[in-house]
Amino acid sequence: DAKTTQPTSMDCAEGRAANLPCNHSTISGNEYVYWYRQIHSQGPQYIIHGLKNNETNEMASLIITEDRKSSTLILPHATLRDTAVYYCIVRVAGSGGSNYKLTFGKGTLLTVNP
Amino acid sequence: DTGVSQDPRHKITKRGQNVTFRCDPISEHNRLYWYRQTLGQGPEFLTYFQNEAQLEKSRLLSDRFSAERPKGSFSTLEIQRTEQGDSAMYLCASSLARFGGGEQYFGPGTRLTVT
Repeated sequence: DAKTTQPTSMDCAEGRAANLPCNHSTISGNEYVYWYRQIHSQGPQYIIHGLKNNETNEMASLIITEDRKSSTLILPHATLRDTAVYYCIVRVAGSGGSNYKLTFGKGTLLTVNP
Repeated sequence: DTGVSQDPRHKITKRGQNVTFRCDPISEHNRLYWYRQTLGQGPEFLTYFQNEAQLEKSRLLSDRFSAERPKGSFSTLEIQRTEQGDSAMYLCASSLARFGGGEQYFGPGTRLTVT
């Protein structure tokens, strides 16, 4: 799986949009971008994933650049409960072969301030 | 609650003792994973099951560690002769294979402290 690079930490004001970047310049054509988050003392939580088109769900939006070398997770109206470590993971699609695990980096600690 | 549950949530043990953790996945999920997380790091993969079959073990899983998933339902992770380096959060996750396994649902974890 391709390696990802994320900033160590970011701050965001409550009610504002939080934009979390991720660099994955070595991504392959069959690799998806996944985002998870981990609130303190809880297990990771799946947020969203995408291949090349922008994706949106009830939690967030995922913007992937045309060359797929980077992406941005957008929380449109951050709340204090969004304070967490956000992980960007690149993973081969499908469930065959060795494609079973998630490889987490250190992620970005997003702190939402009142 | 229909999520992944883990028991116990916290375990303090003395070095050299054996410990066992339990994970109950989401009922219809056929894949189950164990991860370990130390302070300041992201979770690291340990092992995974598809139904009752253990299909992969990480090199992180020494011979002191053993995992089972009898009948493809709940799973247990046992650590024998615990060492201080085993202190960590042990996370369980489950998923449906037909969705590619990328959407994994995690439990709250078991925090192990070895004194």
